[in-house]
Amino acid sequence: AQSVTQLGSHVSVSEGALVLLRCNYSSSVPPYLFWYVQYPNQGLQLLLKYTSAATLVKGINGFEAEFKKSETSFHLTKPSAHMSDAAEYFCAVSEGGTSYGKLTFGQGTILTVHP
Amino acid sequence: EAGVTQSPTHLIKTRGQQATLRCSPISGHTSVYWYQQALGLGLQFLLWYDEGEERNRGNFPPRFSGRQFPNYSSELNVNALELEDSALYLCASSSRIGQGLNMNTEAFFGQGTRLTVV
Repeated sequence: AQSVTQLGSHVSVSEGALVLLRCNYSSSVPPYLFWYVQYPNQGLQLLLKYTSAATLVKGINGFEAEFKKSETSFHLTKPSAHMSDAAEYFCAVSEGGTSYGKLTFGQGTILTVHP
Repeated sequence: EAGVTQSPTHLIKTRGQQATLRCSPISGHTSVYWYQQALGLGLQFLLWYDEGEERNRGNFPPRFSGRQFPNYSSELNVNALELEDSALYLCASSSRIGQGLNMNTEAFFGQGTRLTVV
């Protein structure tokens, strides 16, 4: 069985500050890991994905994440927060294969950016 | 190219009624997934359809059902609605590039249908 834990349901940063959103996973098979962002009353938009290629993954809007197998982590970072980054972020894991879309999500982290 | 489209965007039903939600995947995608996002419960996997067949379902009662049509669009039906069924229902689609390969795809989500049961 797979599971995802996002540490911190709310994270608040100042504009220009580092963003760090934490995600730890549990998987019995090599995982495929994703970060999605959700703006209010919207669907999910993919930020980045890890599919066993490079451990440092770069995504859209300046976000990146590093896969650390020894720590079973896939934390999301951005060097400098922008007001438009305020949203809810979800870490997710899948078994890949033919079931990329069968995802197990974390509980989400709401990011607030202060001016 | 059009993304995943869902209809309706909002749906209000009375307890005990049936709701039907629709999803059109991205052209060329054969898999459709349904998720429920209820307040306080996070995103829960509901159903997965691929090539017209139900491949997997999450931990939901049988009154949640659906189907996938030959054009790969999908319908989610919720019977005997309960108040706690009120949620945002998200549909996602993905392509299938065979088995055993190092796949390079992901699920694309629609904007969701907000179901309110009163």
